[in-house]
Amino acid sequence: QVQLVQSGAELKKPGASVKVSCKASGYTFSTSDVNWVRQAAGQGLEWMGWMNPTSGRTGHAQKFQGRLTMTTDTSISTAYMELSSLRSEDTAVYFCARGSSPGGCDVWGQGTLVTVSS
Amino acid sequence: QAGLTQPPSVSKALRQTATLTCTGNSNNVGNQGAAWLQQHQGHPPKLLSYRNNNRPSGISERLSASRSGNTASLTITGLQPEDEADYYCSTWDSSLNAVVFGGGTKLTVL
Repeated sequence: QVQLVQSGAELKKPGASVKVSCKASGYTFSTSDVNWVRQAAGQGLEWMGWMNPTSGRTGHAQKFQGRLTMTTDTSISTAYMELSSLRSEDTAVYFCARGSSPGGCDVWGQGTLVTVSS
Repeated sequence: QAGLTQPPSVSKALRQTATLTCTGNSNNVGNQGAAWLQQHQGHPPKLLSYRNNNRPSGISERLSASRSGNTASLTITGLQPEDEADYYCSTWDSSLNAVVFGGGTKLTVL
C-alpha cells in the first residue's frame, strides 16, 4: 500500500542540525510533491515547506528561511528534511506528507520526534 | 504567516450533526477551497476531503465538505465516538506562496 516511513526519534543540542528521512513506497515517488509539516506538543500543524522530486523545486514558509533544506533521492524514493541552528522551540513531531491537491496532503508519514535540549 | 481561522472546540451529542468552519480570505480558501484533516491523539493526520468535497476512498459518507465565499465547512452527520478528534483545514495561499493551516478544532462527542 501507499506509505511514507520516517526515520526514528532524534535528540539534539541547541545549535545543532537534524536530518529526517522519509521513504516512500506503493506509488511513483517522482510524481508527487513532498511536504514537511511539524507539530509541537499540544499544538496545531505548522507547514514548513515542499519539494518536487522531479524538478527539484522547493518552497518554504518564511520563518524557516535559511535554516531549512529539503532534498530527495529518487533512486531510493526518499525525501530528506534538514533543519539547522536548532533551538528549544524546534522540539516537535515532524511529518512528511504527499501533496495531492493545493494545500492538501493525502498520505502522511508516522512522524519523527525531534527533541532539542541541552 | 497568517493562518486560517477555526473555532478551538465544538461539542455535540452522539448521533447529532456537527459543522466545523474554516475562514480564510480570497487568496486561500476563497480561491483554492480547502482540505480537511482528522487527527486522533498520537497519530498522524488523515485526509478527509480535498478541494471542498472530494473524499478519498474509504472516507465515510457521513462527512461532507463545502465552501461559501472565504469560509469552508465540514459537516459530520450521525456523530460516533470515533469522530472525537482534532480537525484541521488547510489550503494553498497564493499571496504567501505557502500552505496554510487552521489552528484546529477539537470535536467532542458527548
